Amino acid sequence: QVQLVQSGAEVKKPGASVKISCRTSGYTFSAYAIHWVRQAPGPGLEWLGWINAGNGVTAYSQKFQGRVTFTRDTSARIVYMELSGLRSEDTAVYFCARDFGGYCTADTCSNFDHWGQGALVTVSA
Amino acid sequence: SYVLTQPPSVSVAPGQTATITCGGNNIGAKSVHWYQQRPGQAPVLVVYGDSKRPSGIPERFSGSNSGNTATLTISRVEAGDEADYYCHVWDTSSGHSAVFGSGTQVTVL
Repeated sequence: QVQLVQSGAEVKKPGASVKISCRTSGYTFSAYAIHWVRQAPGPGLEWLGWINAGNGVTAYSQKFQGRVTFTRDTSARIVYMELSGLRSEDTAVYFCARDFGGYCTADTCSNFDHWGQGALVTVSA
Repeated sequence: SYVLTQPPSVSVAPGQTATITCGGNNIGAKSVHWYQQRPGQAPVLVVYGDSKRPSGIPERFSGSNSGNTATLTISRVEAGDEADYYCHVWDTSSGHSAVFGSGTQVTVL
């Protein structure tokens, strides 16, 4: 079955960077995009962007452009999300999620059919 | 940017029907997806493409979309349906970005 397993919780100081991993299994890794979505304390979901796992093409939300980077290790079937210049407002649970439709393009993505369990990032001095 | 409006909360008695709305400008022209999120868990896709159900999702969950409002309907509500529900669309007005509604907390009385 499809599984996305994320790395554990992180505590970072303001200005630092954090890198979270999303290890996948149960499907053809290179055929799908992976999205990153975060949830600050309380209700609400916020999308950060996506990476096509096969060719490494990425797209980022304008809000996070320049601060977030997605990469992948195709042999290990892992996708990474790195967020730099951390501030207290970045304290959130970060989720990876697979795109139901496979690859994303500049103007086409689908829904998020499988999700990781989430990784809590706490930014505190 | 595109805004999706959901009621903060909906309360429903067991066995009754819960209706959750998602308002957006001409949302009927977009494809709407719905997620259920129980406390402390990751979201789960319950309806996609306005009205389709992923495998494993009960028929009690249904969706519709027309005009300026998309709707998720949960029939014969059970205690296990208590969760937050989010609608999701893709906004193409400025680039291509995923937009979520603010979420609706469903309480089973």
